Amino acid sequence: AQSVSQHNHHVILSEAASLELGCNYSYGGTVNLFWYVQYPGQHLQLLLKYFSGDPLVKGIKGFEAEFIKSKFSFNLRKPSVQWSDTAEYFCAVTFSGGYQKVTFGTGTKLQVIP
Amino acid sequence: EAGVTQSPTHLIKTRGQQATLRCSPISGHTSVYWYQQALGLGLQFLLWYDEGEERNRGNFPPRFSGRQFPNYSSELNVNALELEDSALYLCASSSRTSGRGADTQYFGPGTRLTVL
Repeated sequence: AQSVSQHNHHVILSEAASLELGCNYSYGGTVNLFWYVQYPGQHLQLLLKYFSGDPLVKGIKGFEAEFIKSKFSFNLRKPSVQWSDTAEYFCAVTFSGGYQKVTFGTGTKLQVIP
Repeated sequence: EAGVTQSPTHLIKTRGQQATLRCSPISGHTSVYWYQQALGLGLQFLLWYDEGEERNRGNFPPRFSGRQFPNYSSELNVNALELEDSALYLCASSSRTSGRGADTQYFGPGTRLTVL
């Protein structure tokens, strides 16, 4: 079955550190890829998405992600995190023929220490 | 532009009861999705409605059901509630798909269901 894996469950960083959160999926066909963020007390918001084209996608708040098809990965990056980036981050994938069903990873909780 | 709204914010029920959760999509969106976010289990896809019809369903028992109304709002019904149904239920909406694949889904704040 198609699945999405986020291997980092809890990440703690100091402000200004660089961030990379891993996301891998298991499916050899066409995929659409998303990163969502859930700030404390707020609802899920879209950070960025990839449907086609340039595999390096830039999102809001300085985040970017790179789709590497050969590695089935869509890792999220930010060169310098801020305390306000403390949140839970979810990778999500739709698989071709999945009829709009979005499969989410289990999420990564990021804690940024001032 | 108003976002996805959900009601109620919190809902407390006892085992065996029924729960009804409501969702209003973003204006112009025709698709509504329901997800369950249970502690430690991440987000699990429940149901997808588009144009009033159920289009896809996740791996949940039939006591999870719903419907979509002509104005594209939606209800999620959970019958014969069990303790493990306690979770945050999220609704999302998107515009009609282009056929390329999933359009971006926009999420509401969720309804926290507690089953005692």
